[in-house]
Amino acid sequence: SYELTQPPSVSVSPGQTASITCSGDKLGDKYACWYQQKPGQSPVLLIYQNSRRPSGIPERFSGSNSGNTATLTISGTQAMDEADYYCQVWDINTYVFGTGTKVTVL
Amino acid sequence: QLQLQESGPGLVKPSETLSLTCSVSGGSINNYYWGWIRQPPGKGLEWIGSIYYSGTTYSNPSLKSRLTISVDTSKNEFSLKVSSVTATDTAIYYCARHLGRLSSGLDYWGQGTLVTVSS
Repeated sequence: SYELTQPPSVSVSPGQTASITCSGDKLGDKYACWYQQKPGQSPVLLIYQNSRRPSGIPERFSGSNSGNTATLTISGTQAMDEADYYCQVWDINTYVFGTGTKVTVL
Repeated sequence: QLQLQESGPGLVKPSETLSLTCSVSGGSINNYYWGWIRQPPGKGLEWIGSIYYSGTTYSNPSLKSRLTISVDTSKNEFSLKVSSVTATDTAIYYCARHLGRLSSGLDYWGQGTLVTVSS
């Protein structure tokens, strides 16, 4: 089965840029999505089709996908961005979520 | 504004069947894919399965033998059944809408409902 690997944690200072990676075999050949989940809340779709933002998602969230790695970038990180982040792909009729990354804003 | 609401028993006994329904309001269930996702306490997200409004289903291979996903367009709702549950099925269960194609992600989510498997 297909697997997506993320770093367990990422720390970032307010106002700086955070990059969260998602690794999988030939991931660049697929469409990657990214979700944000805050404690006690449902996930929120941040990025779909590698780099597209749904309406209402701030421009500081951006995505890219190439080779074996998809990346979510948070520019000008704010305290409110402290959350868990998950990547996700659709692969051979199966949805796969990444292992998740906890972003801490120090 | 589209809203999704999960409903069903919060406690299920081992070996029995877990049954949940997702009611969709503020929009039609037609022409979209709809999904079920779960999250064990303190752990990551796991896709359970998805269904098109016409009834076509896709299931997580690890759960497929125990899953039934159905849709009722007249009631604007879809449902999940997981048979022969064990403690490992204890999780928050979410229903969600696929943005468009199945590859485009899930853009509307329910608030989630905790289902505990215990005798």
